[in-house]
Amino acid sequence: EAQVTQNPRYLITVTGKKLTVTCSQNMNHEYMSWYRQDPGLGLRQIYYSMNVEVTDKGDVPEGYKVSRKEKRNFPLILESPSPNQTSLYFCASSPIAGRGRPYGYTFGSGTRLTVV
Amino acid sequence: AQTVTQSQPEMSVQEAETVTLSCTYDTSESDYYLFWYKQPPSRQMILVIRQEAYKQQNATENRFSVNFQKAAKSFSLKISDSQLGDAAMYFCAYRSAGTGTASKLTFGTGTRLQVTL
Repeated sequence: EAQVTQNPRYLITVTGKKLTVTCSQNMNHEYMSWYRQDPGLGLRQIYYSMNVEVTDKGDVPEGYKVSRKEKRNFPLILESPSPNQTSLYFCASSPIAGRGRPYGYTFGSGTRLTVV
Repeated sequence: AQTVTQSQPEMSVQEAETVTLSCTYDTSESDYYLFWYKQPPSRQMILVIRQEAYKQQNATENRFSVNFQKAAKSFSLKISDSQLGDAAMYFCAYRSAGTGTASKLTFGTGTRLQVTL
């Protein structure tokens, strides 16, 4: 089954304790991205990757790191989490867009992160 | 930068009735994609329907259809014969046909749809 697997689904941590949220896709998609969802703000992009070893900042990158060592994996790293990073996080993947090509995104099931 | 606006934070519809959710967007591009996503309480992001800007014909998927007005930059979602399972948060989203930064999805703030008996 084509899917994006994101773990964990729920995470409660303390301020300053490094954590990693994993994301893996099995569709050979070039493009992967992380979003955070906050009430009243919709989803906002944190980081994205066009392919292996190619990553760049999105709209809200402060406090986050990513890496893309393999095409299928795109972990999100919070080196020193703070309470304002309490949010719902989504990983998503997509083929590179182009006319006539598939262009939809596939989302992971989300990670509810609470930083206390 | 592109923006997506959903001006209805909440909507309500009776079961079996029809409801229309509004979405407008701002862009200077001519080639792009538009989406409606549904997020039920399970919080999964489910693609409802999508539209390519270069196609004039409005997309339909069973009970879901869109009214795409490119000149007005409007992309509304119509749900016919509403069902209890349609109750969810609905997000409108825009994606450029370009690559790199342009590949991101830009989301509206969402419309929460209630379905009543």
